[in-house]
Amino acid sequence: EAQVTQNPRYLITVTGKKLTVTCSQNMNHEYMSWYRQDPGLGLRQIYYSMNVEVTDKGDVPEGYKVSRKEKRNFPLILESPSPNQTSLYFCASSLQGVAGGAYEQYFGPGTRLTVT
Amino acid sequence: GNSVTQMEGPVTLSEEAFLTINCTYTATGYPSLFWYVQYPGEGLQLLLKATKADDKGSNKGFEATYRKETTSFHLEKGSVQVSDSAVYFCALSVRGTDTGRRALTFGSGTRLQVQP
Repeated sequence: EAQVTQNPRYLITVTGKKLTVTCSQNMNHEYMSWYRQDPGLGLRQIYYSMNVEVTDKGDVPEGYKVSRKEKRNFPLILESPSPNQTSLYFCASSLQGVAGGAYEQYFGPGTRLTVT
Repeated sequence: GNSVTQMEGPVTLSEEAFLTINCTYTATGYPSLFWYVQYPGEGLQLLLKATKADDKGSNKGFEATYRKETTSFHLEKGSVQVSDSAVYFCALSVRGTDTGRRALTFGSGTRLQVQP
């Protein structure tokens, strides 16, 4: 089954304790991305990756890191989490597509993070 | 920049009622347009999409038409069911001309509640 998986699904942690949220896709997609979802703000992109070893900042990258060492995996790293990073996080993937094409993205189930 | 504006919810309807959720957008460049649905406790699922003006996306009885002249992509369904209760997100994607970035820009979401 084609899917994007994330782990953990729920995480409660304390300020400053480093954590990693994993994301994996089995569709051989080149493009992967992380979003955070906050009430009234919709989803905002944190980081994205166009392929292995190619990553770049999205709209809200502060306080986050990513890496893309393998095509299927795109972990999100919070080196020193703070309470304002409490949110619902989604990983997504898609094919590179062609110019003018619809860049349909497939989403994981989400990770609810609480930082106290 | 790019932005998406959706009608605020919640929208509460009786079963078999007609549904319209308004969505308008601003975009630099020529966007592709999407509707995503998020059921309780789940990630986002693509509901339908349209890639060019006058295209009509449809799926599961839902429809939306890409209106370039009014920069709109309103979601409609002729007869809603209780199982349609979810949060609906309008989104657009424009490929970055220099980086290839194709972040989805989301509206803030509209919660639909369908009562039996």
